[in-house]
Amino acid sequence: QVQLQESGPGLVKPSETLSLTCTVSGGSVSSYYWTWIRQPAGKGLEWIGRIYTSGSTNYNPSLKSRVTMSVDRSTNQFSLKLSSMTAADTAVYYCARWSSYYFDPWGQGTLVTVSS
Amino acid sequence: DIQMTQSPSSLSASVGDRVTITCRASQSIGSYLNWYQRKPGKAPKLLIYAASSFQSGVPSRFTGSGSGTDFTLTISSLQPEDFATYYCQQSYSTPLTFGPGTKVDIK
Repeated sequence: QVQLQESGPGLVKPSETLSLTCTVSGGSVSSYYWTWIRQPAGKGLEWIGRIYTSGSTNYNPSLKSRVTMSVDRSTNQFSLKLSSMTAADTAVYYCARWSSYYFDPWGQGTLVTVSS
Repeated sequence: DIQMTQSPSSLSASVGDRVTITCRASQSIGSYLNWYQRKPGKAPKLLIYAASSFQSGVPSRFTGSGSGTDFTLTISSLQPEDFATYYCQQSYSTPLTFGPGTKVDIK
């Protein structure tokens, strides 16, 4: 079965760019949409955006100016870059597969803290 | 954006209880509604998709219903492993949005 695992720095300085990677095992990134979702402490889940294997993307308008997603079929990974990080971006970040109607499966999530 | 609300925000229940969680969309979303379960430190898990379709492997005590703007998730007989937070999510239009969650804990 397909499993996803997020990786990246747990601490990012204000104004820097966050880079996260999601490794897909048990399946290929060469189909489906792949997505990022986050949850700030005490707040709700927020969809960041999605990328198709072709590289086609859809981003949440609330974050669009700061988000870049990419897919690497050679490593079976997809990635998120979020620029100009602030304390408001402190959150648990999840990667997930989007199968046109729902998110499944999800990664366990990785906590990213923005602090100097 | 389509706003999703859930009620209650939390509830306390006992093993064996019947539990119902409500989700409401700010506009009609047909049956484009999914339910997820999340436990601390674990990956969120899809329970129900398209309002009432079971995801493979999900116990039959979980049922979903509704269409349009009003939806419910029912757990017919709460089990110890069901204590978790439950989220609804609309897949009708982007940006995809979630409800704020309902935390189910032990009475």
